[in-house]
Amino acid sequence: KAGVTQTPRYLIKTRGQQVTLSCSPISGHRSVSWYQQTPGQGLQFLFEYFSETQRNKGNFPGRFSGRQFSNSRSEMNVSTLELGDSALYLCASSLDGRFATYEQYFGPGTRLTVT
Amino acid sequence: ELKVEQNPLFLSMQEGKNYTIYCNYSTTSDRLYWYRQDPGKSLESLFVLLSNGAVKQEGRLMASLDTKARLSTLHITAAVHDLSATYFCAVDFLMEYGNKLVFGAGTILRVKS
Repeated sequence: KAGVTQTPRYLIKTRGQQVTLSCSPISGHRSVSWYQQTPGQGLQFLFEYFSETQRNKGNFPGRFSGRQFSNSRSEMNVSTLELGDSALYLCASSLDGRFATYEQYFGPGTRLTVT
Repeated sequence: ELKVEQNPLFLSMQEGKNYTIYCNYSTTSDRLYWYRQDPGKSLESLFVLLSNGAVKQEGRLMASLDTKARLSTLHITAAVHDLSATYFCAVDFLMEYGNKLVFGAGTILRVKS
């Protein structure tokens, strides 16, 4: 079974621009979570999507948004990029988490550099 | 708000030595994960600990979970250079619907020959 895939793997953007990152979960997984990893703040939860709905959101500004499609693929968008948005963005998928928690499987990440 | 504290944050050890990394967390949870991360890479799952008293071992690494003490440990036995990496614990925080992982700050492990 294929793992979680993320595209692109590397991205360089300029301040003020916007960016869209994509995540394809493991087949059959309906929950997709996004995490940001920076040297200063560590690994932080961004949001989680299930059945095309955002169920949970971390403490990030509204510039960070996401969506999930009917095939469970997810995208996250960051608008008006700031230097501090430079980070490794990790996507994780898990089985139906509506009434129970399941292990999250992480993708390879997208390394975003904002200049 | 769930807080997860790891210590030490940096560990330099000689090959062949033993050491333990500690992970304390502030809110009840029955599920804890340990991950390994190599520079520039994603997270590699090491252990999934699902209940109080859970103990798992893989090679030179052994992890345990004490949910009453809200403490997990990752014990390294007879360290080898290949274990050099950053190790994270993550606590599964159950929300009204779904869950999120709350990570510790990570322990940078350097094993010297």
